[in-house]
Amino acid sequence: GQSLEQPSEVTAVEGAIVQINCTYQTSGFYGLSWYQQHDGGAPTFLSYNALDGLEETGRFSSFLSRSDSYGYLLLQELQMKDSASYFCAVDTNTGFQKLVFGTGTRLLVSP
Amino acid sequence: DVKVTQSSRYLVKRTGEKVFLECVQDMDHENMFWYRQDPGLGLRLIYFSYDVKMKEKGDIPEGYSVSREKKERFSLILESASTNQTSMYLCASSSPRREQYFGPGTRLTVT
Repeated sequence: GQSLEQPSEVTAVEGAIVQINCTYQTSGFYGLSWYQQHDGGAPTFLSYNALDGLEETGRFSSFLSRSDSYGYLLLQELQMKDSASYFCAVDTNTGFQKLVFGTGTRLLVSP
Repeated sequence: DVKVTQSSRYLVKRTGEKVFLECVQDMDHENMFWYRQDPGLGLRLIYFSYDVKMKEKGDIPEGYSVSREKKERFSLILESASTNQTSMYLCASSSPRREQYFGPGTRLTVT
């Protein structure tokens, strides 16, 4: 089967740094994506890692270790608006971008 | 900006009815996807399409079919709606950069 594991909930305060981990076991692997979803909203793309290492985009960074089947999303200088659900997703098909999603991590940022 | 639109935000149907969910994207993307999202289960792929009239089953295709007659439009069909198909349905299209763009979702209730 295919499975992605991520924590169900993480809490943090404004200005802090939080890391959301994702471990995966899938039949194919071409990359790891992260999506953000606010309550009542659509998922929005944050990052994509195809190779090992760290990708940085503003306050958000994403890391991948293919040998460990592991990745994480790092959110720095947390803001209240970062309260949302975060999903990791494995790209299992090189041609069609067939994604398998984790069950999501709910991030609660408090003042 | 990429725009993915879905025909309805909320829909209520009776058991046994045939249900059509429509999705349109305006960025000339080749690949389009239908997911359902349920609490605690994340997003699960129902069907995807990589070209006009081409379709592939996702992870949970049972009870669903799809149609793609034009590149910009991808329809999800519930042949005979059942209560276990009550869910949030999300359509997406993907760019060559491996980003998926999601529509606002249709919350379907089957009574």
